[in-house]
Amino acid sequence: QQQVKQSPQSLIVQKGGISIINCAYENTAFDYFPWYQQFPGKGPALLIAIRPDVSEKKEGRFTISFNKSAKQFSLHIMDSQPGDSATYFCAATPYSSASKIIFGSGTRLSIRP
Amino acid sequence: NAGVTQTPKFRVLKTGQSMTLLCAQDMNHEYMYWYRQDPGMGLRLIHYSVGEGTTAKGEVPDGYNVSRLKKQNFLLGLESAAPSQTSVYFCATSERLTGGLSSYEQYFGPGTRLTVT
Repeated sequence: QQQVKQSPQSLIVQKGGISIINCAYENTAFDYFPWYQQFPGKGPALLIAIRPDVSEKKEGRFTISFNKSAKQFSLHIMDSQPGDSATYFCAATPYSSASKIIFGSGTRLSIRP
Repeated sequence: NAGVTQTPKFRVLKTGQSMTLLCAQDMNHEYMYWYRQDPGMGLRLIHYSVGEGTTAKGEVPDGYNVSRLKKQNFLLGLESAAPSQTSVYFCATSERLTGGLSSYEQYFGPGTRLTVT
């Protein structure tokens, strides 16, 4: 049962543009929403994360927007660069079971020079 | 400080063969995990461990066994490999926070690409 739905599956963005990846969840017990970044041949690495007590979190060019009532959250990459080309996974977990992170299906992002 | 390492990096098995994947960590983390990654499926949890000598089933445990005899090592075994187990396998770790819960952040190894023919 997929509890975190991610879209799109793949995304091509011009250099300097904004990349947007969306996720939706079902379980209202989720209270931590991380995004992981994975480069080819590497393991995923935590990029940025948000708790539901805030609607937005920004770290450099990366921003998470969170809509608790709609049970949706998204990753925005501003001024996208070729080095951002990677696969991005959204995820969700309840505080009580942080050992059990549920991952989305992933988005392969390609930034065209 | 190597972080999380996995051996081997690649392996080809024939149906019915067995093998063990090794995950080693030098971060002194209590929690360790095994995931498989398949196209369009994201990462799915196979088994995990909350400490030395303990293991638990994840989302897709069938066909796999695990052991955590030492805190720094987590082994994933395939007793009789099947083509459906062709995948990329990732090990991950996380810290134990005060109170016993896991930290939210997981640290991943570089993966093992397994092909079963």
